[in-house]
Amino acid sequence: EPEVTQTPSHQVTQMGQEVILRCVPISNHLYFYWYRQILGQKVEFLVSFYNNEISEKSEIFDDQFSVERPDGSNFTLKIRSTKLEDSAMYFCASRDQTALGGNTEAFFGQGTRLTVV
Amino acid sequence: DAKTTQPPSMDCAEGRAANLPCNHSTISGNEYVYWYRQIHSQGPQYIIHGLKNNETNEMASLIITEDRKSSTLILPHATLRDTAVYYCIVRAWNSGNTPLVFGKGTRLSVIA
Repeated sequence: EPEVTQTPSHQVTQMGQEVILRCVPISNHLYFYWYRQILGQKVEFLVSFYNNEISEKSEIFDDQFSVERPDGSNFTLKIRSTKLEDSAMYFCASRDQTALGGNTEAFFGQGTRLTVV
Repeated sequence: DAKTTQPPSMDCAEGRAANLPCNHSTISGNEYVYWYRQIHSQGPQYIIHGLKNNETNEMASLIITEDRKSSTLILPHATLRDTAVYYCIVRAWNSGNTPLVFGKGTRLSVIA
């Protein structure tokens, strides 16, 4: 069964450092997302991406964040200068659309646990 | 925020049916009801979705009331591996790239 793959599974970084979280969405999917989940809290939407551009972003997704689909298979989330409060699980998701343009279910990766020290 | 209301937690005995309710009284005509679950900080996992007819798949059944203002997710024979947070989400069928919005969900504990 196809799946969304995220690497690394764990990342520890020093405050102020840049990190890149990587995702390989399911190959024929068109829509891509990043979410985060701070320990003990809700899953929060960060950004959606379609047709090589950002479709929507939340208030969390400020200038420190960026996304890229560099090669048609990977989908990355970059945090330019990490802060302690960026420590969280980060989930990538992707989905297809129906022939009539409707929604299909989203598939989530297993996440990257980011710890900023 | 998600336009749904779910109880914060529920218990279920192993082997029994788990019935998870969801209220979505402001649902509109083109909105589907989706259910996802999250097992212990893993990525959310799709379970099932429906519009107005009851739906069943290999994981669960979804019962939607005739007025569509509430629904129930049924896990017919709950196992310990079904212990998770279950999210009920309403979403328009043709909402384009609008993201899923997760609420707090229902924490289901399956007890041996």
